[in-house]
Amino acid sequence: AQSVTQLDSQVPVFEEAPVELRCNYSSSVSVYLFWYVQYPNQGLQLLLKYLSGSTLVESINGFEAEFNKSQTSFHLRKPSVHISDTAEYFCAVSDLSGGSNYKLTFGKGTLLTVNP
Amino acid sequence: DAGVIQSPRHEVTEMGQEVTLRCKPISGHDYLFWYRQTMMRGLELLIYFNNNVPIDDSGMPEDRFSAKMPNASFSTLKIQPSEPRDSAVYFCASSLRGGYTAEAFFGQGTRLTVV
Repeated sequence: AQSVTQLDSQVPVFEEAPVELRCNYSSSVSVYLFWYVQYPNQGLQLLLKYLSGSTLVESINGFEAEFNKSQTSFHLRKPSVHISDTAEYFCAVSDLSGGSNYKLTFGKGTLLTVNP
Repeated sequence: DAGVIQSPRHEVTEMGQEVTLRCKPISGHDYLFWYRQTMMRGLELLIYFNNNVPIDDSGMPEDRFSAKMPNASFSTLKIQPSEPRDSAVYFCASSLRGGYTAEAFFGQGTRLTVV
């Protein structure tokens, strides 16, 4: 079975400050990792994903995440946040066990609030 | 493509009534997922389909919940009878090739309130 732990339920920061949202996962097999963002009253949108290759992945709006296999982590970072980054962020994992057996498991989410 | 389309966006119903939530996945996607989101439990996977066949329904809370996918372009999640604790936002998502190389695309959700 796989699971995702997001260590912080809420992260308040000031505009232009750096931020890190933490995510740890557990799985008995190799995994794909995702970060999704949910703006108020909307569905989830993919922010970035790690499938293979470089362990550092980036989004188009300045977020990045690094896959650390030894620490089973996939923390999300941004060096300077904007008011518009205020949203809930979800870390997710899907295993590579093959066949039609597929499950995308989400963490409980981290609410990022950027204050002026 | 218009993305994953869910209807209705909001539903208010009385306890004991039947509720049907609808989902149209992205054309060509072969996986469809139903999730439920609440403050207490976060985002829970209820059931998912591969090529219209239910693969894992272990997340369905109880027999009052049922889901169908009669064809590749339509799925329903039914609650009968509904209870106040079913109040939540229900999301449908679809994916191509099970997410091995692609992510799940989410609909806007249906906010269900059972009074």
